[in-house]
Amino acid sequence: GAVVSQHPSRVICKSGTSVKIECRSLDFQATTMFWYRQFPKQSLMLMATSNEGSKATYEQGVEKDKFLINHASLTLSTLTVTSAHPEDSSFYICSVQGDHINEQFFGPGTRLTVL
Amino acid sequence: AQTVTQSQPEMSVQEAETVTLSCTYDTSENNYYLFWYKQPPSRQMILVIRQEAYKQQNATENRFSVNFQKAAKSFSLKISDSQLGDTAMYFCAFMPPNSGYALNFGKGTSLLVTP
Repeated sequence: GAVVSQHPSRVICKSGTSVKIECRSLDFQATTMFWYRQFPKQSLMLMATSNEGSKATYEQGVEKDKFLINHASLTLSTLTVTSAHPEDSSFYICSVQGDHINEQFFGPGTRLTVL
Repeated sequence: AQTVTQSQPEMSVQEAETVTLSCTYDTSENNYYLFWYKQPPSRQMILVIRQEAYKQQNATENRFSVNFQKAAKSFSLKISDSQLGDTAMYFCAFMPPNSGYALNFGKGTSLLVTP
């Protein structure tokens, strides 16, 4: 399967600042990537679907102006949390859609803490 | 909207024993995909097993097998010969056919394997 990395693995920032999280598909050209958010002891919730070369599709309730997603190449998608607040503190996970419909490969996640 | 229900927040099993995790889902679709993912303390999502709804035969991967009951919309995971390394959160996930391949996760079951 595809190898997916995320950077950084952990980030702590001050309230009001912006944070960028990178998701890289190391050995696979990913047309579609996904961004999920996982609060402590909760499940993964889909935030948005990122398609290379086009605008991301956001799930209901996810503010597109706050969570900026860019999928400029087949190996890189970025999630920028703008004007972060403590309630944005969470674990953010990306995944890559594989060749087959039932394949999805996950990154190791990024823990964001907003002070 | 599709929902995935995991009714067992926590379970415990002794090493070498067998445990079954339950999952039910709600959908009006006929063709879809079902998955079980494992999330150990590292938080890395690991695919355990997957099932295509059009296949009647239950999927099996070594010690892991599923009991897929399409009419009942049930997709339980059986872990045989449990090992300490099986301790993790287990998430059942549903992929509808026209979702753009996004996964809809249940709330998870925390499994503890004891010596």
